[in-house]
Amino acid sequence: DSGVTQTPKHLITATGQRVTLRCSPRSGDLSVYWYQQSLDQGLQFLIQYYNGEERAKGNILERFSAQQFPDLHSELNLSSLELGDSALYFCASSARGPASGNTIYFGEGSWLTVV
Amino acid sequence: GENVGLHLPTLSVQEGDNSIINCAYSNSASDYFIWYKQESGKGPQFIIDIRSNMDKRQGQRVTVLLNKTVKHLSLQIAATQPGDSAVYFCAEIGAHSDKIIFGKGTRLHILP
Repeated sequence: DSGVTQTPKHLITATGQRVTLRCSPRSGDLSVYWYQQSLDQGLQFLIQYYNGEERAKGNILERFSAQQFPDLHSELNLSSLELGDSALYFCASSARGPASGNTIYFGEGSWLTVV
Repeated sequence: GENVGLHLPTLSVQEGDNSIINCAYSNSASDYFIWYKQESGKGPQFIIDIRSNMDKRQGQRVTVLLNKTVKHLSLQIAATQPGDSAVYFCAEIGAHSDKIIFGKGTRLHILP
């Protein structure tokens, strides 16, 4: 158990809908990362938050947004869902950031299926 | 696009033999590298990391080698076991950056 908790574990929704994925980082970790993993893709970095503020942005679509709350949990919002958004979404956390040499721990992921 | 890649998408190794998984990176400014193991249905699990001021680091049954001259990273697993079956990802982090770039992964298949 990495200590990173993600909910829900599985989610099935229709195209055009909006979903929210939740992540609780390891106790004390300030950085939260979101990644998308499709069947034919590796781990695609979406976005990182550090202590409530956006720190780095990757290949995140405009239909997607995220935030980190004062209690350090994070939510990834996916809207106007398309079939191609079906993927495994991972959250990861670290004490500070990898540039600081902190190990990054991943949650078990949230399986999103868009039908 | 992402610039960390793997030479072989699938590697089959006899149980008990050593495994070597390779990774190429293109950003010479990257100064921190991590290997992750991902088992089916699970999140990536940290295996070992190495900084650019080192060329070798050893863990329990695993060794990471870094060749900055040719921008190459490898993961060696000694005495491969069935439990080593997984997809292995290399990842790089640039200097002064928190963005982790993952390669596409290599599937390690253990032959009985």
